[in-house]
Amino acid sequence: AQSVTQPDIHITVSEGASLELRCNYSYGATPYLFWYVQSPGQGLQLLLKYFSGDTLVQGIKGFEAEFKRSQSSFNLRKPSVHWSDAAEYFCAVGAPRGYQKVTFGTGTKLQVIP
Amino acid sequence: NAGVTQTPKFQVLKTGQSMTLQCAQDMNHNSMYWYRQDPGMGLRLIYYSASEGTTDKGEVPNGYNVSRLNKREFSLRLESAAPSQTSVYFCASSAGQTYGETQYFGPGTRLLVL
Repeated sequence: AQSVTQPDIHITVSEGASLELRCNYSYGATPYLFWYVQSPGQGLQLLLKYFSGDTLVQGIKGFEAEFKRSQSSFNLRKPSVHWSDAAEYFCAVGAPRGYQKVTFGTGTKLQVIP
Repeated sequence: NAGVTQTPKFQVLKTGQSMTLQCAQDMNHNSMYWYRQDPGMGLRLIYYSASEGTTDKGEVPNGYNVSRLNKREFSLRLESAAPSQTSVYFCASSAGQTYGETQYFGPGTRLLVL
């Protein structure tokens, strides 16, 4: 069965600083990888996803993520964080088995300070 | 375009009471899901419906039942609520059941069981 680990529970960055959120997955083959964002009191929204091809994926709101097979990682990055990016971020892995089984990580809460 | 809607937004129950959480989507999606979100545990799949007329258990189905009323609506029922079911419940939908499909989430229902 697949699994996903987000080692950072909480991260604080200054507005304008760069951001990297870590995600490691476990799966026997190349999985489908997702990053979702959850603003306070809201549901989850897809930021980006990776299936195959170019390992650097661009998403909405200026986010990007890089798939590194050798490290089983799919880290999310943003070059300059805005106060509105404060939210909780979830990495997820999808396995190609029958129905769409997606396993979510435990989330990383991002705080942005002025 | 409302996307995925959930009712109610908040609910307080006493142990042993029953209730139904409602979910509807207007995107003509085939697949629908119910998740619960608990602190430090990410999202866990309770039940899903790959298509109209079918439902299947997810990771944590005990204490819950579901009904796929039609293509638009997918309800979650707690027959006898327990304090362990205090959580935030999210409904989601996707166009199909193949891996890699983006899931679209509702705003959530916050449930407190006393």
